[in-house]
Amino acid sequence: NAGVTQTPKFRILKIGQSMTLQCTQDMNHNYMYWYRQDPGMGLKLIYYSVGAGITDKGEVPNGYNVSRSTTEDFPLRLELAAPSQTSVYFCATRRAGTDTQYFGPGTRLTVL
Amino acid sequence: AQSVTQLGSHVSVSEGALVLLRCNYSSSVPPYLFWYVQYPNQGLQLLLKYTTGATLVKGINGFEAEFKKSETSFHLTKPSAHMSDAAEYFCAVKPNAGNMLTFGGGTRLMVKP
Repeated sequence: NAGVTQTPKFRILKIGQSMTLQCTQDMNHNYMYWYRQDPGMGLKLIYYSVGAGITDKGEVPNGYNVSRSTTEDFPLRLELAAPSQTSVYFCATRRAGTDTQYFGPGTRLTVL
Repeated sequence: AQSVTQLGSHVSVSEGALVLLRCNYSSSVPPYLFWYVQYPNQGLQLLLKYTTGATLVKGINGFEAEFKKSETSFHLTKPSAHMSDAAEYFCAVKPNAGNMLTFGGGTRLMVKP
């Protein structure tokens, strides 16, 4: 039972490049979330999903896109990377009817 | 709208001393409250949560927190710090019927031998 896995662990992008951050869960949780963590700022919600085919914006969605075609996967897409997107990105899941979110180990992204 | 304020971005205590990490929130509806811990290079783990019922909640690793509605606070305490408690701690709030957590800025706890 791997829980929540994220790939890659680290990535360096050049300005204007694109990439997809992968998040996969094996807990059959309905809800999935993407956060970014900047120093001293806590975590900010980018997008979330309440189930396959359903996504919604969080607090800071600009510059990102998501899709949820299966229960297990919730990829986060950066189309035109900018230095402001340098951050640590966390994926989390939650079972419907409960309150606890389970976090992956994170992806550290640097945009130069 | 909700917000969470954690007083003190860094707290340093001696091993064996009391740990007190402060969290105040604002919420227009009764909230659910959480404390998460993040060890270096890892994701967040739930320490404890308050939803309803008893206002003093106990979590893992000897931590506890008390929900005080009149003070809009949910401070985290531990009677005796251990070196392994060194980590970053996040307070978070969620409306009881909502899907989204709002996090505070975090407090880094350092434990001196």
